[in-house]
Amino acid sequence: AQKITQTQPGMFVQEKEAVTLDCTYDTSDPSYGLFWYKQPSSGEMIFLIYQGSYDQQNATEGRYSLNFQKARKSANLVISASQLGDSAMYFCAPYRNQFYFGTGTSLTVIP
Amino acid sequence: SQTIHQWPATLVQPVGSPLSLECTVEGTSNPNLYWYRQAAGRGLQLLFYSVGIGQISSEVPQNLSASRPQDRQFILSSKKLLLSDSGFYLCAWSAARTGRNNSPLHFGNGTRLTVT
Repeated sequence: AQKITQTQPGMFVQEKEAVTLDCTYDTSDPSYGLFWYKQPSSGEMIFLIYQGSYDQQNATEGRYSLNFQKARKSANLVISASQLGDSAMYFCAPYRNQFYFGTGTSLTVIP
Repeated sequence: SQTIHQWPATLVQPVGSPLSLECTVEGTSNPNLYWYRQAAGRGLQLLFYSVGIGQISSEVPQNLSASRPQDRQFILSSKKLLLSDSGFYLCAWSAARTGRNNSPLHFGNGTRLTVT
């Protein structure tokens, strides 16, 4: 299994502000994908954004973007203009042959 | 479009009883299938994955087993449940990887299992 580190167990952000959730991983493979998922209190896992290791540009998807630093093995999720509905657990998942998940970051958006 | 069904949504079972959780996928062929477990307040632990009928790989040795009797059916079982088997079980599928393109995981709604 890969080692995946999400160093922020809990984060708070003011509504309408931007927030960055950290993720680092350990892989020697040159080709892999990096996924981020959101898990609200209901438990469902929602796919947010994907970055391929060969992609030249950082991925963006609406208010979500990735700060991908391949040499540092880091793929931080940036959520812009936070909304109350963004309060949830967030997991990063590097993919090579399997999906392994980090321990997650709990994000709370404060009105 | 593809959908994934997982049942039951909640389950309370006594220690030592058997377990069978079922997951089916619609709208795709030859998916990769996965079982994950999530303890309360924790991350997701990969239990089993399958790339085809009858092909099961286990990530963590335990008293659970998985089977794939049909292309789009994945079953998680136990002969005798332990208290430590309590958790949130999630089934997921992804399309087979092609070249450098990676398909995301698509999750079912999960089963909350409480072993008493």
